[in-house]
Formats: sequence, structure tokens, C-alpha cells
Amino acid sequence: EIVLTQSPAIMSLSPGERATLSCRASQSVGTSLGWYQQKPGKAPRLLVFDASKGAADLPGRFSGSGSGTDFTLTISSLEPEDFAVYYCQQGTNRPPWTFGQGTRLEIK
Amino acid sequence: QVQLVESGGGVVQPGTSLRLSCAASGFYFSTSAMHWVRQAPGKGPEWVAVIRYDGSNIFYADSVKGRFTISRDNPKNTLYLQMSSLRPEDTAVYYCAKDLYFYDYSGYSVDWGQGTLVTVTS
Repeated sequence: EIVLTQSPAIMSLSPGERATLSCRASQSVGTSLGWYQQKPGKAPRLLVFDASKGAADLPGRFSGSGSGTDFTLTISSLEPEDFAVYYCQQGTNRPPWTFGQGTRLEIK
Repeated sequence: QVQLVESGGGVVQPGTSLRLSCAASGFYFSTSAMHWVRQAPGKGPEWVAVIRYDGSNIFYADSVKGRFTISRDNPKNTLYLQMSSLRPEDTAVYYCAKDLYFYDYSGYSVDWGQGTLVTVTS
């Protein structure tokens, strides 16, 4: 089973700042990695798949990058609605599909 | 638009069974792979099971293998999760989710229901 480790666990930033979230896989997943955003009491929302492909209606300030074992989700200029928990998930074509433990992005 | 509505959750004792349902609308259910994903309180999501559009290629997480059964009724646009031998560690919000791909699965869940809470406690 592929283990995903996200860092940092908590990130405190102000609106307008740049956020860089990291996800490291225990073995190579190629570019088969996705990112989700989750707000309290809501289901996760798919933001990025295959490392850098944006899901439908993804705001342009979000971008994903990386390959192999190291991946990054970047939010170029934080909006108030971006403060949430972010999870990475490996999306290789065979299960099990695992999630990282999450990064909580909070307002500073 | 895509709508997924889970039902069937509740409070049950360890060792008992429960069946979850997910009513789908707003998309071609019969051409979509579907997942169950759960999330324990305060924890990250955990993928549980997947079923291909035609009911084939079913896979389970090791944590539920042999105890949970995923199935679908395409004419009724409904996904199911039959859970048996429930344990306290199965306590979670259970989401049904539509795979990003048509027909086959990618592993990514692009549309999610609101979830149904299952609590296993004595």
C-alpha cells in the first residue's frame, strides 16, 4: 500500500499570500496524484488530478505539480474561501487508493 | 447536475449488519464507476470499495474485505454497500462518490454525496 505524507500538518497564512502544500509518496506513483479540498461538514472536492490537471471550475489560482514521489499544490494568492483542509490521494489505476493525512490551511 | 444521496446510516452494535444506499441522478449512472469512501471523525478520507459501471471489477480496502459488499442496480440508479460484522473502527461518515472516468475507474472521486453517518457502539 502506498503511504502519502503531507506537510505541513497546519499552515497559517493571510489572505493574499501564497500557499505551497506538499505531498510525498512512499513509492513512485508517476503523475497519478490528486488533491482535494474539504470544508467543515462538507464532502471533499476534487481540485487536481494526474498531478497537474485541474478539475472542472477550478479557480486559476490553484495549480498542481510534481511527479514520482514529490508533489505540490500551490495557491498563488489566498482567498478567504480557500481556508480549509487539503488532502492528496494517489490515483494509480489499481486500488487501494490512499489519502494523505491532510494539511489544515488556517487564517493567520 | 450530479446528485448523490446516501441513506441507511445509524447507530448499531458491534457484530451487526447495515446496508447503505446511494441514489444517483443527473448523470448516466450506468456508465460510471462508483466508490464508497469513509471518513472517521477527525480523520482523513479512507477509500472503501469500487465497482465498475457494469458491476464487474470490484475491489475492497483490506480493512473491510470479507465483511463489506458493494453492488449496484443500474435500472434503479442506485449504489449499495452491505456491511456486516461491524466493528467500532467502522464508525465514520460514508460517502458514495462518482469516479472521474466513464466506464472504467481512475481512483479519483469527482462527485460526492453528503454522506451518511454510521456509528458502531455497544
